[in-house]
Amino acid sequence: QLQLQESGPGLVKPSETLSLTCTVFGGSISSNNYYWGWIRQPPGKGLEWIGSIYYTGDTFYNRSLKSRVTISVDVSKNQFSLKLNAVTAADTAMYFCVREIYYDIVASYHIADWGQGALVSVSS
Amino acid sequence: DIQMTQSPSSLSASVGDRITITCRASQNIKNFLNWYQQKPGKAPNLLIYAASGLQSGVPPRFSGSGSGTDFTLTISGLRPEDFATYYCQESFSTPWTFGQGTKVEMK
Repeated sequence: QLQLQESGPGLVKPSETLSLTCTVFGGSISSNNYYWGWIRQPPGKGLEWIGSIYYTGDTFYNRSLKSRVTISVDVSKNQFSLKLNAVTAADTAMYFCVREIYYDIVASYHIADWGQGALVSVSS
Repeated sequence: DIQMTQSPSSLSASVGDRITITCRASQNIKNFLNWYQQKPGKAPNLLIYAASGLQSGVPPRFSGSGSGTDFTLTISGLRPEDFATYYCQESFSTPWTFGQGTKVEMK
């Protein structure tokens, strides 16, 4: 069974860069029809899709964050990463790494797997 | 971006009840609509994909319907483990967007 595990600092100073890595266990990050993404959830609030990446390196970003976000993939390590720069307190959230599946029978995407989440606080 | 609006924002129900949550999209998204359940302190869990497809391992008391702009999630025979927050999510176009959530509480 596929598992996703986030890792990275839990505290980031304002104006600095938030960096998280997601390691994929139990499956290959190079599989067709799988996209690897990040979703965040501020405390007590709803879900926001940040972006996703295909193993070839093709990226898709939420334009609300696009100027500050970079998602990359390391196929050799079965990992993908998130960098969010110039953070503010508004970026304090639980960050989930996810696997998005393109289910070609119904030509639909859905988020099939989630990591447990990494709480990142932005504070000086 | 597509806006997703859920109603109600919260509801109180009892074990055994049949409940319905609605989700409305700001434009036609065909059947590209997914439903997730989230329990406190946990990641969301996929229940329904493509509006009505039941995810493997999800009990059949969960069902989804709708197309275009209006969708529903129904739980037939609420069980204690179903008290949680439910989110809809469109997968018609990026950025994927979510509804604001519906919290199902015990009456």
